[in-house]
Amino acid sequence: GAVVSQHPSRVICKSGTSVKIECRSLDFQATTMFWYRQFPKKSLMLMATSNEGSKATYEQGVEKDKFLINHASLTLSTLTVTSAHPEDSSFYICSAALGGSYNSPLHFGNGTRLTVT
Amino acid sequence: GNSVTQMEGPVTLSEEAFLTINCTYTATGYPSLFWYVQYPGEGLQLLLKATKADDKGSNKGFEATYRKETTSFHLEKGSVQVSDSAVYFCALTPPAGQFYFGTGTSLTVIP
Repeated sequence: GAVVSQHPSRVICKSGTSVKIECRSLDFQATTMFWYRQFPKKSLMLMATSNEGSKATYEQGVEKDKFLINHASLTLSTLTVTSAHPEDSSFYICSAALGGSYNSPLHFGNGTRLTVT
Repeated sequence: GNSVTQMEGPVTLSEEAFLTINCTYTATGYPSLFWYVQYPGEGLQLLLKATKADDKGSNKGFEATYRKETTSFHLEKGSVQVSDSAVYFCALTPPAGQFYFGTGTSLTVIP
């Protein structure tokens, strides 16, 4: 069964509003979660690494003031797209590693399809 | 640096055909290698993995062998089904590093 739950699966919002996406690890604690954005040609772009109890680490080119990440507990990370614009429309996916070693596989949420009108 | 290169898609096969999706990589150190599958409208699911040279990962009839000499991790299946239609991602993670994904290969299996 799924070990990472992501919500909502789809959201439509108006330009200028903010949207929050939740990512929960089920039955395990995740000190680190990852947020990806998937583009139309299917490539995955790592946006940021979410660290429980500390600030997220953003990849180059990702606006941290626009994509706010909060990792308030060991089982929950949230991504808030602030003042969304149509170009932010995309598929956002979170993930977490079940084990603690570097080669522990990532488990992914089912993604959130964001459409900004 | 670290990177993953996958064959370009899309790939269209008839049911029961043999599947190969090529994946090669460059990496520092000794990475672990993965194949993920993404069904329409869903997130990614781990399909199989291999953590050291000559390891073979297998699951649901899919196989991939970690070839250090050719830096490859090609995905194979002897007889595909319509339900295998999805996008397949090759990925690696170096020691103490983040995941690196290929661009994905879309597979469509027709009856």
